[in-house]
Amino acid sequence: EVQLVESGGGLVKPGGSLRLSCAASGFTFSSYSMNWVRQAPGKGLEWVSSISSTSSSYIYYADSVKGRFTISRDNAKNSLYLQMNSLRAEDTAVYYCARQSRLGPSPFDYWGQGTLVTVSS
Amino acid sequence: DIQMTQSPSTLSASVGDRVTVTCRASQSISSWLAWYQQKPGKAPKFLIYDASNLESGVPSRFSGSGSGTEFTLTISSLQPDDFATYYCQQYNTYPYTFGQGTKLEIK
Repeated sequence: EVQLVESGGGLVKPGGSLRLSCAASGFTFSSYSMNWVRQAPGKGLEWVSSISSTSSSYIYYADSVKGRFTISRDNAKNSLYLQMNSLRAEDTAVYYCARQSRLGPSPFDYWGQGTLVTVSS
Repeated sequence: DIQMTQSPSTLSASVGDRVTVTCRASQSISSWLAWYQQKPGKAPKFLIYDASNLESGVPSRFSGSGSGTEFTLTISSLQPDDFATYYCQQYNTYPYTFGQGTKLEIK
């Protein structure tokens, strides 16, 4: 059974940093591109970042987080990460990790349960 | 960036109704479109990929169609479990973008 479990969320002050983790199991993690998607309270889904299966092919970011967030992965540990720096109030959201279903253009077939990040003084 | 626009934003319907949600892309995305269902406090659930292909395990009352810039999600006979918010997503080009969502409410 595919499982994605996020952790690392919490309350942080504006300008602070946080590192999210996503532990993957039930599939060959190193074969899949992975993503972070966020959802502000009461709002819709916003794609945040994508990383290819081996990290070396591609990494993409939404303009809203470029230069502040860094996506990474450790295939040996079956884990995905999101380092978030210079956090702003508008980064407050539930952050989901999600697996891309196949190589090439592909949707997100499995999602974690999400971890809440609150940026507030 | 490709903008995805869903309509309507809210849809009131009854059990047994046939409903359709529309998603329009600001430029052609071929058939690189997915649909997701989300219930309050839960992660999105993957329903349809490549515009018209049903993910395994998704009930056959769900269907998708379209290509280019205009797409639809149809539920042929609403069931109580279907009342939720639905999102489209394009994966033609990064940044991958979602529609703003359509909330399906009980009439």
